[in-house]
Amino acid sequence: GAGVSQSPSNKVTEKGKDVELRCDPISGHTALYWYRQSLGQGLEFLIYFQGNSAPDKSGLPSDRFSAERTGGSVSTLTIQRTQQEDSAVYLCASSPLADYNEQFFGPGTRLTVL
Amino acid sequence: AQSVTQPDIHITVSEGASLELRCNYSYGATPYLFWYVQSPGQGLQLLLKYFSGDTLVQGIKGFEAEFKRSQSSFNLRKPSVHWSDAAEYFCAVGAPQFYFGTGTSLTVIP
Repeated sequence: GAGVSQSPSNKVTEKGKDVELRCDPISGHTALYWYRQSLGQGLEFLIYFQGNSAPDKSGLPSDRFSAERTGGSVSTLTIQRTQQEDSAVYLCASSPLADYNEQFFGPGTRLTVL
Repeated sequence: AQSVTQPDIHITVSEGASLELRCNYSYGATPYLFWYVQSPGQGLQLLLKYFSGDTLVQGIKGFEAEFKRSQSSFNLRKPSVHWSDAAEYFCAVGAPQFYFGTGTSLTVIP
C-alpha cells in the first residue's frame, strides 16, 4: 500500500518568508508526527497528533512553528518568517496508534532558507 | 529526561566483518526501543524494535539487537556486513514520540 508522502520534496525560500510543508499519512493511521533533521544532528521531535486529541507541541522550537491536521488525516507544518537556522529536512511519520508502535516515515522535505 | 546516546559517530568495517553499533538510552519507564536505517537519499526504514519479552530481537537484513536493562543499552549487531549496509543508523526510544540518537554513519570497505 501507499506509504507516507510529503510535499514538496525540496523547498528553497528566502529568509523572512513563510513556508508550508505537507504530509499525507498512511490511510487509517491515527497518530502523526513531525521531526526535524538538521545537518550533523539527529532527529528532533517537533509535534505529534493523536486522533482528535490536542496535539503535543512540546518539541516546537519557537512560536514561528505551527502545525495542523485536518480531518484526522493530512497535516501541514507551517514555518513563519523563516530563518537560516530553519534549514533542515522535515520528516513526517505516522503510526496506527500512538503508543507501542513503530512509526512509518515519509521521504522528507528538504528546506533551504537563503 | 529521555535521551539516546550513540557514542560512535562513524564506523568503518570491511565487508564480511562483524558489526556492533552502540546505543545507550535514558528513559523513565519501560523503554520501547527501535533501530532505523537511513540510506543516502532514502527515508528511514525500521530494522527492528523491542517492546517486551525476549531481550534478543531479530530484524530485517540479518540484523539483531540485544536489550540490556542493567546497562541501559540496545546495541545493534550483524555477523557479516555487506557493502549495501553502508548507511546512517539511528537508535530511538520512546512512546509516543521518539527520541533519537545522533546516528552512526557506517562505511563498508571491500
